Amino acid sequence: QLQLQESGPGLVKPSETLSLTCTVSGGSISSGTYYWGWIRQPPGKGLEWIGSIYYSGSTYYNPSLKSRVTISVDTSKNQFSLRLSSVTAADTAFFYCARIYDAYYMDVWGKGTTVTVSS
Amino acid sequence: DIQMTQSPSTLSASVGDRVTITCRASQSISRWLAWYQQKPGKAPKLLIFKASSLESGVPSRFSGSGSGTEFTLTISSLQPDDFATYYCQQYNSYSPLTFGGGTKVEIK
Repeated sequence: QLQLQESGPGLVKPSETLSLTCTVSGGSISSGTYYWGWIRQPPGKGLEWIGSIYYSGSTYYNPSLKSRVTISVDTSKNQFSLRLSSVTAADTAFFYCARIYDAYYMDVWGKGTTVTVSS
Repeated sequence: DIQMTQSPSTLSASVGDRVTITCRASQSISRWLAWYQQKPGKAPKLLIFKASSLESGVPSRFSGSGSGTEFTLTISSLQPDDFATYYCQQYNSYSPLTFGGGTKVEIK
């Protein structure tokens, strides 16, 4: 059964870079049908798609975050990662990684990890 | 970007009730719509894709309909496990993926 697990620091200082990794188990990140992505949810608010990546490295990002986001993939480790630069308190959120069917909808989610931006 | 608007934002209902949630897109998205259920402290769970296709393992009391700009999620007979927040999400080609604001289904 496919599982995704987010990992990374739970606390990041303002203006620094948030870095998270998603480890995929029970299946290959190189499956052709799927993209892999990041979604965030500020406390008490709704969901926001951050961006997605294909195992080949092809990416696409939410235009509202594009200038600050980098998503990368490491097929040898079955992992993909998120970097969000120049963070502010507004970036405090629960971050989820997910498998995205054909770049369309999220059919498998990680449990999520909370990231707080504070000095 | 395509904006997704859900209504109502909160819905109070009783076990056994038929519940309908609406999602409207700011432009036509054909049938490129998914629905998710999220419980407090948990990740969202995919319920429906392509407007009306039920994800494997999802109870048949959940159904989706619509096309173009207006979509509905219906729970035919609300069960205790269904009290949660529901989100729609569009995936129209060449547009960023966007979610609706959510509908919280509460116990009446």
